[in-house]
Amino acid sequence: EDKVVQSPLSLVVHEGDTVTLNCSYEVTNFRSLLWYKQEKKAPTFLFMLTSSGIEKKSGRLSSILDKKELFSILNITATQTGDSAVYLCAARAQGAQKLVFGQGTRLTINP
Amino acid sequence: GAGVSQTPSNKVTEKGKYVELRCDPISGHTALYWYRQSLGQGPEFLIYFQGTGAADDSGLPNDRFFAVRPEGSVSTLKIQRTERGDSAVYLCASSLGSGATDTQYFGPGTRLTVL
Repeated sequence: EDKVVQSPLSLVVHEGDTVTLNCSYEVTNFRSLLWYKQEKKAPTFLFMLTSSGIEKKSGRLSSILDKKELFSILNITATQTGDSAVYLCAARAQGAQKLVFGQGTRLTINP
Repeated sequence: GAGVSQTPSNKVTEKGKYVELRCDPISGHTALYWYRQSLGQGPEFLIYFQGTGAADDSGLPNDRFFAVRPEGSVSTLKIQRTERGDSAVYLCASSLGSGATDTQYFGPGTRLTVL
């Protein structure tokens, strides 16, 4: 059965810190890995990664995929209180439409 | 343009009752998905529509759950004889197509509480 595991489950840091969130996956015929940010209800799309070693970047957020070791990381630099949210990682298999999600990492940024 | 919308935002019902949850996808999106998210967990896939047809319903937990998308746009998730364990946030997502790089965009969800 396909599985996605995120760590840590919860993280509390101070504003200005840099954080790294981890996502490992076991997916038959892996195709892509996605990161979402969930603040209240609707997960909002951050990144889609399909190739190893190519960093995706958007402002203070960046992410990279390692298809050999089957994991991805999401980095957030110079964190702000508005970054507080649950960050979800999801994997998708080749030819499949459904996303398999991890439990999420609850990130809290204290001022 | 408008995102995915879902109604109602909250639904409280009694055990054994029937409920319908509605999803309006982004205009022009041909693919539509339903997920269920329990407290402290990530979303779990329920069903996927391509156009009017359910292309993958492997995530529906049992035959009390059913979903339709009769005109290839709005979808309704129907739950019969609700149980307390059905309490969760039901999320709908849509994507432009079903290609490998088509991103799923989520709605705000319906929080279902079964008393």
